[in-house]
Amino acid sequence: GQQLNQSPQSMFIQEGEDVSMNCTSSSIFNTWLWYKQDPGEGPVLLIALYKAGELTSNGRLTAQFGITRKDSFLNISASIPSDVGIYFCAGQRNYGQNFVFGPGTRLSVLP
Amino acid sequence: NAGVTQTPKFQVLKTGQSMTLQCAQDMNHNSMYWYRQDPGMGLRLIYYSASEGTTDKGEVPNGYNVSRLNKREFSLRLESAAPSQTSVYFCASQTGVGGAVNQPQHFGDGTRLSIL
Repeated sequence: GQQLNQSPQSMFIQEGEDVSMNCTSSSIFNTWLWYKQDPGEGPVLLIALYKAGELTSNGRLTAQFGITRKDSFLNISASIPSDVGIYFCAGQRNYGQNFVFGPGTRLSVLP
Repeated sequence: NAGVTQTPKFQVLKTGQSMTLQCAQDMNHNSMYWYRQDPGMGLRLIYYSASEGTTDKGEVPNGYNVSRLNKREFSLRLESAAPSQTSVYFCASQTGVGGAVNQPQHFGDGTRLSIL
């Protein structure tokens, strides 16, 4: 089946640092989503991307739909302790198809 | 509050027991989904219901059955639980059919299921 890869798998950063993570696929996608999952809760949507090259921000978060349509990137600026969690990407290859999810990037923020 | 509600939040079963996980959404969404989440594997789709009255298999349907009871409710049943089904189960809903089919899914808080 379709596979999404996320990098890095996990990361430890100091509070105040910027964070970058990415999601890649061997297939072209029409839609990319980024979710965050806090411990003990379900994933919550952060950003949705619908067009190649699109750059969208949500507060300190910025995500980009890669030009090749095979990847997407998420950046977090000036990290804070509540940024801790697992960040998932999800992609939809064609409209009407189910989304596939990456394995997640686990972020830890050290005070 | 609007959203997706899952019950129960936690459950421990013995091998061979049966159980139904409940999910309800109050956003008038057409599509509903059941996923399982295992460490390092992200979310894998078990079954989905694109609209009321329809259900389809996802990536990992074996050992499960589903029922779309009405537009609001979508249940997941384990007929004979096995240790390999120990996981966190998430229900999600989406605007889906007839709406913007690339719209994001909204997730419940999960059911943590352990099978001994």
